[in-house]
Amino acid sequence: DGGITQSPKYLFRKEGQNVTLSCEQNLNHDAMYWYRQDPGQGLRLIYYSQIVNDFQKGDIAEGYSVSREKKESFPLTVTSAQKNPTAFYLCASSIRDNQPQHFGDGTRLSIL
Amino acid sequence: AQSVTQPDIHITVSEGASLELRCNYSYGATPYLFWYVQSPGQGLQLLLKYFSGDTLVQGIKGFEAEFKRSQSSFNLRKPSVHWSDAAEYFCAVGSGMDSSYKLIFGSGTRLLVRP
Repeated sequence: DGGITQSPKYLFRKEGQNVTLSCEQNLNHDAMYWYRQDPGQGLRLIYYSQIVNDFQKGDIAEGYSVSREKKESFPLTVTSAQKNPTAFYLCASSIRDNQPQHFGDGTRLSIL
Repeated sequence: AQSVTQPDIHITVSEGASLELRCNYSYGATPYLFWYVQSPGQGLQLLLKYFSGDTLVQGIKGFEAEFKRSQSSFNLRKPSVHWSDAAEYFCAVGSGMDSSYKLIFGSGTRLLVRP
């Protein structure tokens, strides 16, 4: 079955450590997105990519980085510069920008 | 700037009762509108979408939504709620008009279903 796979489901970060969240899709979608979800705040866009080797900052990109070397993969790195990283992170993809986005099951990141 | 408002943080209905979740948006042109549902600890699932045409759209799981331009609203409805509908519901708007397209999400409405 086609879909979006996020791993790991749970992740713990130590102070000063960078961590990378994986997102893989086999839907052959061009566009991919990373969102952060905090309780009561809905989803906020971190980064998005419309095509391989290109990506744009979203509304809350500070402290995060991404890469898009392959169409099916869009990993997110939470750097030590992100001072409040505890959140639920969701990856999504769509055929094109203005089509419905399909979501993975998320990664919950916590601080040790 | 685009924005989405879901005025109800929580809604509780009895099983079998009808449901309406409110969504108001702010956008200058004709928007692309979506409703998503999220179960605890899971990703979001698309319920329905409005791009153009008929203002009453049908979705999965018996849900429908009506686009009302004059009220800048896109309310979600279901005639008879089932216990399995308990979840969080998000309304979203997209521009679809430029190269920096993105979705703006409302803050969500949590639906509780009484037996």
